[in-house]
Amino acid sequence: AQRVTQPEKLLSVFKGAPVELKCNYSYSGSPELFWYVQYSRQRLQLLLRHISRESIKGFTADLNKGETSFHLKKPFAQEEDSAMYYCALAPITGFQKLVFGTGTRLLVSP
Amino acid sequence: DAGVIQSPRHEVTEMGQEVTLRCKPISGHNSLFWYRQTMMRGLELLIYFNNNVPIDDSGMPEDRFSAKMPNASFSTLKIQPSEPRDSAVYFCASSSRGPNYGYTFGSGTRLTVV
Repeated sequence: AQRVTQPEKLLSVFKGAPVELKCNYSYSGSPELFWYVQYSRQRLQLLLRHISRESIKGFTADLNKGETSFHLKKPFAQEEDSAMYYCALAPITGFQKLVFGTGTRLLVSP
Repeated sequence: DAGVIQSPRHEVTEMGQEVTLRCKPISGHNSLFWYRQTMMRGLELLIYFNNNVPIDDSGMPEDRFSAKMPNASFSTLKIQPSEPRDSAVYFCASSSRGPNYGYTFGSGTRLTVV
């Protein structure tokens, strides 16, 4: 079964501090992994996906197949990073069902 | 491209009334998803379509919920009769395989059933 686990409901940091949002997954195969961000009362927006190996707004995420993790990191948090962050996975082949974790609210204080 | 378009943005209705939510996916995307978001349960996948065909509706909570996709550019999610516990934000998303693979979400419909 596909499952995405985000153990932290809330992560509170000060501006300039490093941030790591945790994501673990279970999937029998090689999934595609994503991070989505949702700012207050807005739509979900794709932040990054592991196949692109990109850095968006200073965020990066590394897929660790051994630990089945895809943690989201940023070295220096900004106040505008405050939002809900969702980790998600989808199968690489076949139907494109996207499964989300429960989300982590990041709060960056001045 | 205007992205995934959902209507209405807000809907307030009385318990027992029929509610229809609408979604226009991105042109060329062959998969469409309906999600429900609540504080208690987070994001739940209700149903998804591939090439207009329903693939998995196991997330549809009850028979009161139904979804259709009559063509590649339109989908509806209907609740009949509506109940207060259906109050949530309903998101539609579409996706496609290929070089620009990704899932794009609409702005959502905030449903309040009183």
